[in-house]
Amino acid sequence: AQKVTQAQTEISVVEKEDVTLDCVYETRDTTYYLFWYKQPPSGELVFLIRRNSFDEQNEISGRYSWNFQKSTSSFNFTITASQVVDSAVYFCALSGTGANSKLTFGKGITLSVRP
Amino acid sequence: GAVVSQHPSWVICKSGTSVKIECRSLDFQATTMFWYRQFPKQSLMLMATSNEGSKATYEQGVEKDKFLINHASLTLSTLTVTSAHPEDSSFYICSARDRGDSTYEQYFGPGTRLTVT
Repeated sequence: AQKVTQAQTEISVVEKEDVTLDCVYETRDTTYYLFWYKQPPSGELVFLIRRNSFDEQNEISGRYSWNFQKSTSSFNFTITASQVVDSAVYFCALSGTGANSKLTFGKGITLSVRP
Repeated sequence: GAVVSQHPSWVICKSGTSVKIECRSLDFQATTMFWYRQFPKQSLMLMATSNEGSKATYEQGVEKDKFLINHASLTLSTLTVTSAHPEDSSFYICSARDRGDSTYEQYFGPGTRLTVT
């Protein structure tokens, strides 16, 4: 069975602070995908990143960066110089790679960025 | 590319009535679509997986007769909440897989907010 744990439930920071959102996963699959999604108050899920289990390189996209550590089964997400528009719920998710694979979501982290 | 729409975006219905939610892949063909349910301040929970032309596969605990899913074409899946009750009020999100995408990634619709009074 697959499991995604986002231990942090709510995080509040002041604008321009850096913030890291933690994600730990469990799976028996040797090949899998990891995702991060953003859900603003409107409700629509916004895709942020997909990472294949074979690719352990960290990734940076603007103010966003992701740290994939297979040894600790973690896929953490850092926002540098946070902005008010970053306020949202962030979900980490895991899926297998087959045609019948399903997405397993973590419980989500509510990030509030105060001006 | 890979746009998924949902209609309606929000709906209010009276207890006991049925409501249909549509999920469409606008620029790709989707052999597989998924329906999720999200209660306030909670995560997305998979309700069912629908494959075009076949019966949907429901997750444990989801009532098949209450949540009717039809996936009649490669671009459309519908979820009908039958005899809705206030406890069915929730945010329903669909996703679709592009049949030509070997990564099997899911593309999400904007969601439908259902309120049953």
